[in-house]
Amino acid sequence: QQQVKQSPQSLIVQKGGISIINCAYENTAFDYFPWYQQFPGKGPALLIAIRPDVSEKKEGRFTISFNKSAKQFSLHIMDSQPGDSATYFCAASITGTASKLTFGTGTRLQVTL
Amino acid sequence: GAVVSQHPSRVICKSGTSVKIECRSLDFQATTMFWYRQFPKQSLMLMATSNEGSKATYEQGVEKDKFLINHASLTLSTLTVTSAHPEDSSFYICSARAGDGGIETQYFGPGTRLLVL
Repeated sequence: QQQVKQSPQSLIVQKGGISIINCAYENTAFDYFPWYQQFPGKGPALLIAIRPDVSEKKEGRFTISFNKSAKQFSLHIMDSQPGDSATYFCAASITGTASKLTFGTGTRLQVTL
Repeated sequence: GAVVSQHPSRVICKSGTSVKIECRSLDFQATTMFWYRQFPKQSLMLMATSNEGSKATYEQGVEKDKFLINHASLTLSTLTVTSAHPEDSSFYICSARAGDGGIETQYFGPGTRLLVL
């Protein structure tokens, strides 16, 4: 059972544009939602994370929007740059348990010149 | 930020041999570490959760006798792939959780590429 659905599978955005990646979850017990960025041959790096007590969190060009009632959250990359080209994974976990992350299937982002 | 290292970064071995991969948290203590496996163009698959000083908890379908995990200290966990076969070839990634149960951030290592011939 896939508990975190991520879309789109791949995304091409022009330099300077906005990249938007969406995730939806099923388990209402999830209370921590991080986004990870992974370059080929490297481990994932934590990008930004949010808890359901806020609807939005912004760090630089990266923003997470969270909709608790819809059980959805999204990553927005403003002013996308070629260096942002990578695979992005959303994830979810439950505080106080083993903190196991449930990952989405990933989105391959390509930012073109 | 918290740094997690893995060694080796890449290993090639013959079928039937065992391979050990080390995961270290360099600037923090990690009571919990996780081991993942990732196939090309796919998401991360959790293999097991490793707690310092206790036995690892394996996910369903993961052979604990084949993937031996040891978490001997608060900064080191090892994964040993025993009697490796070509189908074990994959990208293995560890992560370490910083802090106690109230802090859920996992920091990932750079990964280890295993190729079994």
